[in-house]
Amino acid sequence: SQQGEEDPQALSIQEGENATMNCSYKTSINNLQWYRQNSGRGLVHLILIRSNEREKHSGRLRVTLDTSKKSSSLLITASRAADTASYFCATESGGSYIPTFGRGTSLIVHP
Amino acid sequence: DSGVTQTPKHLITATGQRVTLRCSPRSGDLSVYWYQQSLDQGLQFLIQYYNGEERAKGNILERFSAQQFPDLHSELNLSSLELGDSALYFCASSAFTGTGSQQYFGPGTRLTVT
Repeated sequence: SQQGEEDPQALSIQEGENATMNCSYKTSINNLQWYRQNSGRGLVHLILIRSNEREKHSGRLRVTLDTSKKSSSLLITASRAADTASYFCATESGGSYIPTFGRGTSLIVHP
Repeated sequence: DSGVTQTPKHLITATGQRVTLRCSPRSGDLSVYWYQQSLDQGLQFLIQYYNGEERAKGNILERFSAQQFPDLHSELNLSSLELGDSALYFCASSAFTGTGSQQYFGPGTRLTVT
């Protein structure tokens, strides 16, 4: 069963716009990670945010974590066509260090 | 390129057959994870090995088994295949095991059962 659920399921934007994806989860977490997957390819790790952190940046990526709302968001600023991919959140919770993946948000950036 | 290799890239086989998927982790990584990705189930964790020993088990069917060899490569064996086993199978590796381990994913093996 999925711990994290991404929203929206699909997002279509123009190049240059910002893209925001959300992840909600049910139980307390140790950390949350975001991954990107290009069509039919392996997942690529983007960023990890720990439960005691509220915000992290990496290049054009900004991740926030609100543990009171059990949610996280991934913001991609100034999107490019190359950002077209599926984005997954993965949570580690309880005594398990194995991340549980959501179903992903499919992002299409039109040139 | 993550440094994780998987063979074969594609596999087409019939129901009832047995197949072996192979994974070579990044140089130096001791931990190997196997995942199954299908449209209806999403990305599901199957099993993890660390330095040759099974470390964690997920939603792995009894028809499936895995092992990690002394050279750290891993194989996932799928037997008595069913149509529903058609999926992308990913291997990932990490340097260590435990919370926050960053996993590096291979390109996957696409299995089609006909």
